[in-house]
Amino acid sequence: DTGVSQDPRHKITKRGQNVTFRCDPISEHNRLYWYRQTLGQGPEFLTYFQNEAQLEKSRLLSDRFSAERPKGSFSTLEIQRTEQGDSAMYLCASSTGQAGYGYTFGSGTRLTVV
Amino acid sequence: AQTVTQSQPEMSVQEAETVTLSCTYDTSENNYYLFWYKQPPSRQMILVIRQEAYKQQNATENRFSVNFQKAAKSFSLKISDSQLGDTAMYFCAFQTQGGSEKLVFGKGTKLTVNP
Repeated sequence: DTGVSQDPRHKITKRGQNVTFRCDPISEHNRLYWYRQTLGQGPEFLTYFQNEAQLEKSRLLSDRFSAERPKGSFSTLEIQRTEQGDSAMYLCASSTGQAGYGYTFGSGTRLTVV
Repeated sequence: AQTVTQSQPEMSVQEAETVTLSCTYDTSENNYYLFWYKQPPSRQMILVIRQEAYKQQNATENRFSVNFQKAAKSFSLKISDSQLGDTAMYFCAFQTQGGSEKLVFGKGTKLTVNP
């Protein structure tokens, strides 16, 4: 297993377009998290999955954002009608669900909305 | 809600010297975990060190150690014998036990190790 993979690494899109990001977690990890990181800030929690169930969503996740994790494997994060304020690094992480051991992060998808 | 504060936006240190990064947090929980993560430029975030709140002994990982003061809600990171490869953003993070176990991050400290 090569860790958490995210695709694409970079995405430039025009305002108003839809974008979708993919995350492939470590296969034996049943928890998957999405975070957003803007310049000069620490990562902020967006949502998480326990297997295929989405159990918590941050208020940062507006109705233009949707995340899925079909069959409890990979996850997708879709942003509809992108805005310039959506420009950020989107980080995916996975864990075994055992508290205290932290997460394994992917390299992130950097989104630029022009 | 938990908050994590890193009061040093940027720091620099000479190679081979020691540097300490500060972190304070606010919580009403008694059982929790604290972490330091390193994010090199354009690379993924990696775990440096972790501390369980119920353990009084400070965690150590090779050149990295922490000073955990539970009563003061302080969790500083000491890097000894700094190396050029230590240049990165360092994030302090807090995790409660149970529930989502999401990490709450500080804003980070940009550390530059100078040759």
